Amino acid sequence: GNSVTQMEGPVTLSEEAFLTINCTYTATGYPSLFWYVQYPGEGLQLLLKATKADDKGSNKGFEATYRKETTSFHLEKGSVQVSDSAVYFCALSRAQGGSEKLVFGKGTKLTVNP
Amino acid sequence: DGGITQSPKYLFRKEGQNVTLSCEQNLNHDAMYWYRQDPGQGLRLIYYSQIVNDFQKGDIAEGYSVSREKKESFPLTVTSAQKNPTAFYLCASRISVEGLNTEAFFGQGTRLTVV
Repeated sequence: GNSVTQMEGPVTLSEEAFLTINCTYTATGYPSLFWYVQYPGEGLQLLLKATKADDKGSNKGFEATYRKETTSFHLEKGSVQVSDSAVYFCALSRAQGGSEKLVFGKGTKLTVNP
Repeated sequence: DGGITQSPKYLFRKEGQNVTLSCEQNLNHDAMYWYRQDPGQGLRLIYYSQIVNDFQKGDIAEGYSVSREKKESFPLTVTSAQKNPTAFYLCASRISVEGLNTEAFFGQGTRLTVV
C-alpha cells in the first residue's frame, strides 16, 4: 500500500538556521506529493505541492523537489524564523480503485528559538 | 469566503454519551474526510465520502458513524462504543476529479474531551 515516512522530531533550531525535514514515500504509479503545516490548536494548511517527478514546490521560503529516483520529497528552508515553529506533515495522494485518499506521515515538530 | 467550518472548537462529553461533530464546506467539493489526530501518531483516517449518500470506512472507523445527506455537510458521530474518544478531530474536503491527485483543505478542528 501507499505510505509516507518522515523524519521524527522534534527538531529544534536557532533563528536563521538551515532546515531540512526528510520525507520518503512508497506508492505505485505517480502520486502527487504535499507538505502541510499545522500551527498549535489549528487545522492543517497546505504549504506546497508537486504533482510530477522533478517538480519543485515552493512557498514562503520553503522548497521541496519531487525525486522519483529516490522516492523522496524533502522539505528545506534556507533561514528559519521563530514564526516557522509548527508541526510539518508530508503527504501523498494517489487514486486507487476509484477512490483517492491522502496518506500522511506522522509529522515533525519544529521549534525555532530566537 | 470559501472554506471548511468545524464546530464546536472544543467539546466535552461524559462517558457513555454519543456526540456529533459538525463539518460544513462551501467549496463545492465532492469528497470529504474525517481524521483523528493523537499526539505522536499523525493523522488517521476515520471515514470518507466521495459523493452524496455514500461513504466508506477508513482505517479506524470502529466506534464512529457518519452521514452524507448533503454535499456541503459531513457530520461525525462519536458513539459510546469508541473506547478512547479524547482526541483532536479534523475534517477535510477536496475536489474529486478522475485521474487528478488534488490537495485537501482542512477545517480548524474540534478538540473532544471525555470527562
